Amino acid sequence: AQSVTQLGSHVSVSEGALVLLRCNYSSSVPPYLFWYVQYPNQGLQLLLKYTTGATLVKGINGFEAEFKKSETSFHLTKPSAHMSDAAEYFCAVRMDSSYKLIFGSGTRLLVRP
Amino acid sequence: EADIYQTPRYLVIGTGKKITLECSQTMGHDKMYWYQQDPGMELHLIHYSYGVNSTEKGDLSSESTVSRIRTEHFPLTLESARPSHTSQYLCASSGGQGGSPLHFGNGTRLTVT
Repeated sequence: AQSVTQLGSHVSVSEGALVLLRCNYSSSVPPYLFWYVQYPNQGLQLLLKYTTGATLVKGINGFEAEFKKSETSFHLTKPSAHMSDAAEYFCAVRMDSSYKLIFGSGTRLLVRP
Repeated sequence: EADIYQTPRYLVIGTGKKITLECSQTMGHDKMYWYQQDPGMELHLIHYSYGVNSTEKGDLSSESTVSRIRTEHFPLTLESARPSHTSQYLCASSGGQGGSPLHFGNGTRLTVT
């Protein structure tokens, strides 16, 4: 069965510092991988996705993620945190044979002034 | 911007009442989903549909039911609400192949007293 693990339910960084949110997945077949962001009292918004091809994918708001098959990871990074990045971040995986999206438990990003 | 709408945004209701949470999308997507989001952020798939007259239960058991009579509409019903149903309910849709992302509504926050 596929699953998604996000290390760290809370991550705190200073404004301007590197953001690194970790995501590992388990899947028996090459997966589709997604990162979503959720702001308070809103739904989830797609940040970026990996399907095939280039393993480094760029998304909105300066975020990017790298698919590493050997490490079964899809970590999300941003070189310089902004106060507006404070939100909940979810990693998700979908196997090719299913249209269902399985989510990790989420990471709350706090950005300190 | 994705066009998927959920109503109501907030609902406070007494135990035993019947409720229907509405979800509509204008993108012509054939696949639609309901996720339940716990207060601690984690999302669980409770229902999904791959097209009209197609509905399936998700990974988390739920006492709710769904219907898909029209492509654009995917309502969720609780016949008798209980305090354990208090949660946020997120509706989503997707089209195309496995790499297509889910588009989310803003959610319905349900409180059962």
